[in-house]
Amino acid sequence: QKEVEQDPGPLSVPEGAIVSLNCTYSNSAFQYFMWYRQYSRKGPELLMYTYSSGNKEDGRFTAQVDKSSKYISLFIRDSQPSDSATYLCAMSAGNYGQNFVFGPGTRLSVLP
Amino acid sequence: GAVVSQHPSWVICKSGTSVKIECRSLDFQATTMFWYRQFPKQSLMLMATSNEGSKATYEQGVEKDKFLINHASLTLSTLTVTSAHPEDSSFYICSASGLGEKLFFGSGTQLSVL
Repeated sequence: QKEVEQDPGPLSVPEGAIVSLNCTYSNSAFQYFMWYRQYSRKGPELLMYTYSSGNKEDGRFTAQVDKSSKYISLFIRDSQPSDSATYLCAMSAGNYGQNFVFGPGTRLSVLP
Repeated sequence: GAVVSQHPSWVICKSGTSVKIECRSLDFQATTMFWYRQFPKQSLMLMATSNEGSKATYEQGVEKDKFLINHASLTLSTLTVTSAHPEDSSFYICSASGLGEKLFFGSGTQLSVL
């Protein structure tokens, strides 16, 4: 079993749809959870950062962490064509950036 | 968010030459920087971890003599691809850690070796 699993997609949705992106993990020591957005031929951009379990909302984006189930989600409301990108989940047990583990990424296309 | 500057964004070189890529944290001190390689439609592949003032730690299978990493200050790390060959052509990305557990990425460098 991989340490972090993520549906690679591609995922295609119509503009305005609600998008749900998910990752599961096996290491119960992970405490820090992040979502990154990566456009083609660009570096990943930090979208959401969450410590431990719970929800966090930022504009159209909501991140959820369920440590008991080892499951994290990113929801995108009112999706836009500009949201078309690859979304990477990442997590860490701590120690100042060491030992980050990334999911393989989900390719999302939002169709106008 | 914090800014990590990476350049050049695109470089073409002849086989056998060396190429240097710079990664700078512009508004924070990066205690640790990471270098990745990414092939089209694939995820990030960690190449090495560099801590300021010490030797880089390379992932298994990454040639340390081929990919020279220098982290001379808390804001600058460089990756030099020595004696580049066409198989080294790839997208290289750096990231920096220094604000708790957040990682910030550079914009990436597309290397093409002819």
